[in-house]
Amino acid sequence: QSALTQPPSASGSPGQSVTISCTGTSGDVGSYNYVSWYQQHPGKAPKLMIYEVSKRPSGVPDRFSGSKSGNTASLTVSGLQADDEADYYCNSYGGSNNVIFGGGTKLTVL
Amino acid sequence: EAQLLESGGGLVQVGGSLRLSCTASGYTFSNYAVNWVRQAPGKGLEWVSGITGSGGGTYYADSLKGRFTISRDNSKNTLYLQMNSLRAEDTAVYYCAKEILSTSKGSFDVWGQGTMVTVSS
Repeated sequence: QSALTQPPSASGSPGQSVTISCTGTSGDVGSYNYVSWYQQHPGKAPKLMIYEVSKRPSGVPDRFSGSKSGNTASLTVSGLQADDEADYYCNSYGGSNNVIFGGGTKLTVL
Repeated sequence: EAQLLESGGGLVQVGGSLRLSCTASGYTFSNYAVNWVRQAPGKGLEWVSGITGSGGGTYYADSLKGRFTISRDNSKNTLYLQMNSLRAEDTAVYYCAKEILSTSKGSFDVWGQGTMVTVSS
């Protein structure tokens, strides 16, 4: 199975909102509500920000939200802050007990 | 607080073997599936393998072609990854990661700090 497709980069100014897309197929994103989003700062382990398309783990600010339409999932970061600058990865359950990650998006806070 | 701690990484020659370990604490280890995820230098995340809480179900990325074996010892709160026939492209930081719910698929809420595996010719 191929990796999910994410834009390589995204950017926004402090206080603005930015949306990152994650495109899969009818066999993964389109079929299952098991899409997650991770934030990774340089040299650190990934951190779960969104799971099951739109659920936030305890401690994640509500500035982070997730959604899905068809084969594309999206992560929206509202009220951008300097510390939001990081790499963001989506993943999806791909059926047959497989998990597929996206290639990652580098978010820059201008 | 749930924590995971990997060990066992290092430098190995092409064709060699290595066994990674991941020790869990702060939660009931046997209640959750755990997975291995790797990240090659400067690259993105790649799911490698997963195992159910009981250990009865094991799953692998197609690209591994039977070279890796995942297992767990719930009496020791420890996850393992046996890696054989290693290739240069297996060079990566290997993370262990826990599912957030017993029913979730691919939602990893606790990650270890990672252990570096370098495969050299």
